[in-house]
Amino acid sequence: KNEVEQSPQNLTAQEGEFITINCSYSVGISALHWLQQHPGGGIVSLFMLSSGKKKHGRLIATINIQEKHSSLHITASHPRDSAVYICAVGGGNTPLVFGKGTRLSVIA
Amino acid sequence: DGGITQSPKYLFRKEGQNVTLSCEQNLNHDAMYWYRQDPGQGLRLIYYSQIVNDFQKGDIAEGYSVSREKKESFPLTVTSAQKNPTAFYLCASRTPYNEQFFGPGTRLTVL
Repeated sequence: KNEVEQSPQNLTAQEGEFITINCSYSVGISALHWLQQHPGGGIVSLFMLSSGKKKHGRLIATINIQEKHSSLHITASHPRDSAVYICAVGGGNTPLVFGKGTRLSVIA
Repeated sequence: DGGITQSPKYLFRKEGQNVTLSCEQNLNHDAMYWYRQDPGQGLRLIYYSQIVNDFQKGDIAEGYSVSREKKESFPLTVTSAQKNPTAFYLCASRTPYNEQFFGPGTRLTVL
């Protein structure tokens, strides 16, 4: 079974800082997901990656299939980015395996 | 508006009672999932269903049951056999292209 490790567990940043969250997994995958969970509990899908890089606004996600590693970057961070960011791997008929999440706090 | 609804948002039950959590989707997705989230832990899979009238156990199915009689609905029953049912429960669905959609969750507290 795939093991998903995220780092750091907790991250505090000043507004405007560049942020990186890392995700490593143990078994080859078909897709990797980055999710965002706000304090109310609801989860939103940010990215689904199988190779390369994707960008949406200030968020950038990259994946290195050979190294089994992905990063989520946030440029010009803002207090509204404060949330838990979750990495998950799997896809198709294989249920997702989730990391424990990275709790991000951005201070104005 | 398409999406997943879970009700209620907060649920309180006495120990020993069964309780059913609702999950409804109008996204026309075949695959649906139930996850449990505990503080400091990743989401863990309870049950999933790839198609109507079929479902499979996930990693922590003991003490839970589900049904999938309609495509739109995937209710989860937390039985009295579940030893530690207090948790946050999330329902999700998946497109054929692996995009994931999540409901708002139900926070169950057993008193």
